[in-house]
Amino acid sequence: DQQVKQNSPSLSVQEGRISILNCDYTNSMFDYFLWYKKYPAEGPTFLISISSIKDKNEDGRFTVFLNKSAKHLSLHIVPSQPGDSAVYFCAASGWGSSNTGKLIFGQGTTLQVKP
Amino acid sequence: DAGITQSPRYKITETGRQVTLMCHQTWSHSYMFWYRQDLGHGLRLIYYSAAADITDKGEVPDGYVVSRSKTENFPLTLESATRSQTSVYFCASSGGQGDYGYTFGSGTRLTVV
Repeated sequence: DQQVKQNSPSLSVQEGRISILNCDYTNSMFDYFLWYKKYPAEGPTFLISISSIKDKNEDGRFTVFLNKSAKHLSLHIVPSQPGDSAVYFCAASGWGSSNTGKLIFGQGTTLQVKP
Repeated sequence: DAGITQSPRYKITETGRQVTLMCHQTWSHSYMFWYRQDLGHGLRLIYYSAAADITDKGEVPDGYVVSRSKTENFPLTLESATRSQTSVYFCASSGGQGDYGYTFGSGTRLTVV
């Protein structure tokens, strides 16, 4: 049972345009959501996060939106740059008794930004 | 050097062999995790540990064993490797309650032939 789903395996955008990566979750007990970025031959690195009490969090070119009623979050990258080309993982967590701080990851979306 | 390190970076082993992947962190983080990355599955949690001598199963624990006798080390052992365990393995750590951001190691690429 995939609790966190990224239904788009890949996304290709032109440099300077907006990249929108999507993520859906099923567990209503999740209360914190994160995005990680991964380059080949490296470990994932933390990008941006959002608490369930917010609906938007912004950090420079990166903005994460959370729609709790739809159990959906998205990552917007504006403007996209070739260096943003990587695999992006959505992750969710909750500090309730059933989660104990574990991060549950989605399948990942490979973003390619074309010059 | 401060950080989280995994060894080896690459490993080829034969079916049925025992192999141990090492993970070491220098922050004294309470929580440590092992994930495997496979195409189409993303990152799946194998085992995690909340503190020394406390471990628990994740989503895909079968065929793996962990131990944590010291806070800084969290080795993952494949008792009898199978081809389905060919994967990239990532270790991660976090400070625990309130610290949702994990720090990952660079990974171990394991091939079972």
